[in-house]
Amino acid sequence: AQSVAQPEDQVNVAEGNPLTVKCTYSVSGNPYLFWYVQYPNRGLQFLLKYITGDNLVKGSYGFEAEFNKSQTSFHLKKPSALVSDSALYFCAVRDDSGAGSYQLTFGKGTKLSVIP
Amino acid sequence: ETGVTQTPRHLVMGMTNKKSLKCEQHLGHNAMYWYKQSAKKPLELMFVYSLEERVENNSVPSRFSPECPNSSHLFLHLHTLQPEDSALYLCASSQDGPVEGETQYFGPGTRLLVL
Repeated sequence: AQSVAQPEDQVNVAEGNPLTVKCTYSVSGNPYLFWYVQYPNRGLQFLLKYITGDNLVKGSYGFEAEFNKSQTSFHLKKPSALVSDSALYFCAVRDDSGAGSYQLTFGKGTKLSVIP
Repeated sequence: ETGVTQTPRHLVMGMTNKKSLKCEQHLGHNAMYWYKQSAKKPLELMFVYSLEERVENNSVPSRFSPECPNSSHLFLHLHTLQPEDSALYLCASSQDGPVEGETQYFGPGTRLLVL
């Protein structure tokens, strides 16, 4: 079975400060990991994904995420937060072992608030 | 985000009504999905279509009926819904089916309220 956890319901950060949104996962095989962002009354927008290779993945809007196999984590980061980054962020995982079939399992989401 | 469109964006219906949600993808993808997003809960995968064939049905009640007439269009037919079905219904698509590292691209969703 595959699962993903976002331990923080909300993260507050001052504009210009670095931000981190945490994600941990559990899979039987190797993980495919994704980050999505959702603005109010909008659908999910793809930010970045980890498939294989370099543990540091760079994505849209200056976001990056670091895959850490030993800690089973895939935290989302940005060096300098913008007020416009305020949104709901979702981490998602799929297991390459086929145990999860077609399922892309999402976390519950973390609300990021960037304070001017 | 304009790659996947959904209509209507908002829908209010009574429990005895019949309505349909429409999704269209302009990305040339081969797989399409319906998700339900409820407050305080993770996204729930409802249905998956690959090359117009349903490949997954996650124990969804029969009052939800999907239809995929071609690889660009996906419908969700609704009848005799319950108030707890009120949610944001999201459509997504991916290039080569719901496998491995395929990225899913989402539409803006239909906000459904069942009275």
